[in-house]
Amino acid sequence: DVKVTQSSRYLVKRTGEKVFLECVQDMDHENMFWYRQDPGLGLRLIYFSYDVKMKEKGDIPEGYSVSREKKERFSLILESASTNQTSMYLCASIDSFNQPQHFGDGTRLSIL
Amino acid sequence: GQNIDQPTEMTATEGAIVQINCTYQTSGFNGLFWYQQHAGEAPTFLSYNVLDGLEEKGRFSSFLSRSKGYSYLLLKELQMKDSASYLCAVRDGAGGSYIPTFGRGTSLIVHP
Repeated sequence: DVKVTQSSRYLVKRTGEKVFLECVQDMDHENMFWYRQDPGLGLRLIYFSYDVKMKEKGDIPEGYSVSREKKERFSLILESASTNQTSMYLCASIDSFNQPQHFGDGTRLSIL
Repeated sequence: GQNIDQPTEMTATEGAIVQINCTYQTSGFNGLFWYQQHAGEAPTFLSYNVLDGLEEKGRFSSFLSRSKGYSYLLLKELQMKDSASYLCAVRDGAGGSYIPTFGRGTSLIVHP
């Protein structure tokens, strides 16, 4: 069974801090994704990666960057956290695009 | 871009049948996914439709009409544990991107 693991379930940070959210998958999937989920807005794509060191902007990349140095790990970086980045962050992976995405349990991030 | 519509909230009685609709507009439809998400948990895959018709999986069925830009998820013999959010995600192959776009989700409340 595919396992997507996010490093923290809950995280509290301060405005202006640099924040790292880590995601690891154990199925050698090519493609990995970062979403944020907000009430009434659904899941919105921040960034995705289709290979090591490759990344593409999603629908809402502003204020975020990503890193994929190894195939199994995809990191989301908030360069200077702001209160409007308080949200639930979900990581997902798939092998090919006609397969369903496998999601991690999410990180609930609060920026104070 | 895509426009995906789902009702925000639905309520139903234990043992009943409920139908959750999803309408979409795409320029290059290439598949539709349904996910279930319990509060505080990761979305989990329910069904995938790429051709017209009904796909049945136990108590859950999903229907697709590509000409109408319409899908529904049918839940039979409702149980309390079916209380969750149901996410419709549409894949659009136009422009070469096959990443699904999510609707805002339908919160289903099952009461005794």
